[in-house]
Amino acid sequence: DAKTTQPPSMDCAEGRAANLPCNHSTISGNEYVYWYRQIHSQGPQYIIHGLKNNETNEMASLIITEDRKSSTLILPHATLRDTAVYYCIAADDYKLSFGAGTTVTVRA
Amino acid sequence: DAMVIQNPRYQVTQFGKPVTLSCSQTLNHNVMYWYQQKSSQAPKLLFHYYDKDFNNEADTPDNFQSRRPNTSFCFLDIRSPGLGDAAMYLCATSRDTGAYEQYFGPGTRLTVT
Repeated sequence: DAKTTQPPSMDCAEGRAANLPCNHSTISGNEYVYWYRQIHSQGPQYIIHGLKNNETNEMASLIITEDRKSSTLILPHATLRDTAVYYCIAADDYKLSFGAGTTVTVRA
Repeated sequence: DAMVIQNPRYQVTQFGKPVTLSCSQTLNHNVMYWYQQKSSQAPKLLFHYYDKDFNNEADTPDNFQSRRPNTSFCFLDIRSPGLGDAAMYLCATSRDTGAYEQYFGPGTRLTVT
């Protein structure tokens, strides 16, 4: 699976959009981009995934660049409960290789 | 409604004493996974079941075994826990092994004394 690179941490203000970047420059054509998050002491939670097109669901939007070498997860209106470690994973099957992720802290 | 349930949430065992962690699901998913997450690290896949077929990851120690008696339940057995096996153990499920999201349980935190 392709390696992903994420900033180790970021802060965002409550009520504002949070934009989380991810680089996956070696992603192959059949690898999807997945986002999961893990709130402290809980199991990871699936957020969204996509292959080429931008995706949106009730939690977030996923923007994938045309060359698929990077993507951005957008939390449209961050709340304090969105404070978590966010993992960006490139995978073509069940095997999710979690990296260090981005620790997102939402501040009031 | 809980979809992936893990019991107990906290387990303490003694060095070398076998321990079993359990996971159940109400999603009727084909695939069940076990991950290990040590403190301040990312989750690491140990193995998974596709229906009754067991699939071990290459670097999973022999000390870790699993059983899946039916669709709903899956167990993680640690035959001789060492201090290095102290971790959060996460169970997850997915409908299939392709590009499907995985649903994780809350985890069982194992302490080895």
